[in-house]
Amino acid sequence: NAGVTQTPKFRVLKTGQSMTLLCAQDMNHEYMYWYRQDPGMGLRLIHYSVGEGTTAKGEVPDGYNVSRLKKQNFLLGLESAAPSQTSVYFCASSPDRGEAFFGQGTRLTVV
Amino acid sequence: GDSVTQMEGPVTLSEEAFLTINCTYTATGYPSLFWYVQYPGEGLQLLLKATKADDKGSNKGFEATYRKETTSFHLEKGSVQVSDSAVYFCALSGTSYGKLTFGQGTILTVHP
Repeated sequence: NAGVTQTPKFRVLKTGQSMTLLCAQDMNHEYMYWYRQDPGMGLRLIHYSVGEGTTAKGEVPDGYNVSRLKKQNFLLGLESAAPSQTSVYFCASSPDRGEAFFGQGTRLTVV
Repeated sequence: GDSVTQMEGPVTLSEEAFLTINCTYTATGYPSLFWYVQYPGEGLQLLLKATKADDKGSNKGFEATYRKETTSFHLEKGSVQVSDSAVYFCALSGTSYGKLTFGQGTILTVHP
């Protein structure tokens, strides 16, 4: 009964390095999302996908890329990390306009 | 665009006190409204939801009523427990893609 699984849980990057965050869901949901959580700002949508092979920009997409090659996976990439990307990243999936199911989060620090 | 405003925190209460966390929203059409809870070190969990005007969502003693006339979805609990200490987020979903717009979150601390 895994739900939404994010990998890794913690990561420290140097400015300019790249990395990929992986999100996997086993609920056969069509919609998947990447959010970032910053103190006092709630969660903000980075990118989302409405189905396999589709992606779209959210509220704060700059500096990030995503891919949804398989329905169950949604990858978030940082090509050249910046200190402003230090945050906690949450992946979520949803079957429709109802409840979203969240992963445990990835705490990323860029130094 | 859509927006959600929550009352400023943090909120500190004694056990068995009454809780209200205010939430107001701006959206076109008829959004669905949610309260999510985040316990320390964990992801967000759905606490309750309401999908149309005058609906009342409830779970674990928490309640919230969808008030379209005042564009509000205030969270209430009659008697809080130490285990309710967490961050609470109000959110809305105003499109068919389920994208959520969140408030800034309210930190609740309950003391014995």
